[in-house]
Amino acid sequence: ETGVTQTPRHLVMGMTNKKSLKCEQHLGHNAMYWYKQSAKKPLELMFVYSLEERVENNSVPSRFSPECPNSSHLFLHLHTLQPEDSALYLCASSQENAGNSPLHFGNGTRLTVT
Amino acid sequence: AQSVTQLGSHVSVSEGALVLLRCNYSSSVPPYLFWYVQYPNQGLQLLLKYTTGATLVKGINGFEAEFKKSETSFHLTKPSAHMSDAAEYFCAVSDLESGGSNYKLTFGKGTLLTVNP
Repeated sequence: ETGVTQTPRHLVMGMTNKKSLKCEQHLGHNAMYWYKQSAKKPLELMFVYSLEERVENNSVPSRFSPECPNSSHLFLHLHTLQPEDSALYLCASSQENAGNSPLHFGNGTRLTVT
Repeated sequence: AQSVTQLGSHVSVSEGALVLLRCNYSSSVPPYLFWYVQYPNQGLQLLLKYTTGATLVKGINGFEAEFKKSETSFHLTKPSAHMSDAAEYFCAVSDLESGGSNYKLTFGKGTLLTVNP
């Protein structure tokens, strides 16, 4: 298996639920990212991990909690979400957290909060 | 701070016609520039990138883009559109954060390309 794989592809959850999104990359990259994609808005960077260390947290609410146990896996733990959190959540990886390294994206998890 | 402006949230062309998707950016230093494409129900895929060297860069699927420093532009073109080109296209700019040593990647809002038979 190659590339960046995200599971699940679709997730519906209530505001009181706890769920997790999973991302796995098979590219040997050192940096991993979570992005939020909402309609009519630019992609929003949520978190960046470089060599398993969180290097950026863009003022994301604490109801989103990332975890990077190793350089190939990235999780996004969700709890007590709001309806406005409904969006496509994209995971990406890059060779390194450098300006000229292109991102490789997974196909995303479509999250609906009811 | 930087911004990325993609003129036209929706562009419609006929099959076989020229595709031109516009991207302008604001940056105080020469940035790295990227175009990504997103097909329905998929993530973003790199089309092409400019880092250094030749300002006309060629990408996958017959697309190319030219970095024009004086115009702060990186427009995407393809001579002849194909039905399979229908997708959303995102311009992205990476440059150093003001006063820092970290690069920041900023995406445009995207341009939806439709191709009519």
